[in-house]
Amino acid sequence: GAVVSQHPSWVICKSGTSVKIECRSLDFQATTMFWYRQFPKQSLMLMATSNEGSKATYEQGVEKDKFLINHASLTLSTLTVTSAHPEDSSFYICSARGLDGGSYNEQFFGPGTRLTVL
Amino acid sequence: AQTVTQSQPEMSVQEAETVTLSCTYDTSESDYYLFWYKQPPSRQMILVIRQEAYKQQNATENRFSVNFQKAAKSFSLKISDSQLGDAAMYFCAYRNTGTASKLTFGTGTRLQVTL
Repeated sequence: GAVVSQHPSWVICKSGTSVKIECRSLDFQATTMFWYRQFPKQSLMLMATSNEGSKATYEQGVEKDKFLINHASLTLSTLTVTSAHPEDSSFYICSARGLDGGSYNEQFFGPGTRLTVL
Repeated sequence: AQTVTQSQPEMSVQEAETVTLSCTYDTSESDYYLFWYKQPPSRQMILVIRQEAYKQQNATENRFSVNFQKAAKSFSLKISDSQLGDAAMYFCAYRNTGTASKLTFGTGTRLQVTL
């Protein structure tokens, strides 16, 4: 399957600072990217969906000014957690979907980024 | 809105034995996709198996197979000849057709494999 990378894999930051997480599709063009948040022993919660060149669509309850998503190219999306606080500590997973010419369009997941806010 | 329910928070199976993980879902759509994903301790999401709703035949991938009951909105995963490497969280997921569709995940089932 196709590969999605995330950087960094682990980040620790001080409260009040901003953190940027990168998500790249390495061998395909990702027309749509998804950002998830996962708390320990819980399921994945979709935060937002982004299409290349368009503004992200945020899920209900997700603060768009706090979680800035940019999908500037077909291979890169970024999630910036602004003014991070300890409650933002979580595991963030990106996922990318390209166009395979059919109706299915498989979705591939990155390895995740662990964010710890002190 | 679609919902996915996994009623088994934890399951245990002995090595080489067979285990079935349950999943039910709710939708008003007639065509959609269903998935089982595996999340090992590394937390990398791995697609185990996929089922298209319009296909009556149950999907199989080596030791993994599903029992898809469309009328009952049930989608269980059977793991045969369980191996230690099968130990992980398993998430059932639903997705509508269409390029803009989103995955809806269940709450997950933690599978333990014992010797």
